[in-house]
Amino acid sequence: AQSVTQLDSQVPVFEEAPVELRCNYSSSVSVYLFWYVQYPNQGLQLLLKYLSGSTLVKGINGFEAEFNKSQTSFHLRKPSVHISDTAEYFCAAPRRGSYIPTFGRGTSLIVHP
Amino acid sequence: KAGVTQTPRYLIKTRGQQVTLSCSPISGHRSVSWYQQTPGQGLQFLFEYFSETQRNKGNFPGRFSGRQFSNSRSEMNVSTLELGDSALYLCASSEAGGAYEQYFGPGTRLTVT
Repeated sequence: AQSVTQLDSQVPVFEEAPVELRCNYSSSVSVYLFWYVQYPNQGLQLLLKYLSGSTLVKGINGFEAEFNKSQTSFHLRKPSVHISDTAEYFCAAPRRGSYIPTFGRGTSLIVHP
Repeated sequence: KAGVTQTPRYLIKTRGQQVTLSCSPISGHRSVSWYQQTPGQGLQFLFEYFSETQRNKGNFPGRFSGRQFSNSRSEMNVSTLELGDSALYLCASSEAGGAYEQYFGPGTRLTVT
């Protein structure tokens, strides 16, 4: 099984609508969870991270994610998306016994006007 | 602080040639990791250097190598290029690896013809 699974390869949504990008992790990874965003022709930028503490994590650009241990999930949400949010989003976590992050396959968020 | 810089941004090489890519981390960051990103395989970890020593290595053939200098700048080298080496190569730096977030450069787009 994949260590970090992003359930949707593509998510189309209209501008100003809410969005949720799904991420599930397996027991083979440590519970240090990250979401990165990659805009076209750019590198990855950290959106938010969960290391411990509050299960609701707020990040940049109005994004937030909720760590759910029972569901082994770390879904990313935004209440109202903009055209500029169109990008590739990656969920990541390090394998147990390592600190090197394993990345999900990515979810392409496409925001339509 | 200046971000992570990578040079060159684009490269076109021929099969059988070799290539060297360069990465300058954020000032004060001692850990540099390299990733290969392709549409088919996603983001795959190549190796990590910390204080001039390779600390972790992914599952890539020996044609892929790297090094880190005393100023934390890093280079990666790919010898005997194959068509399948065409990819975006991303460099990421962090203060000390571990659970700390990584800061990515814009990448070098390598095309092998």
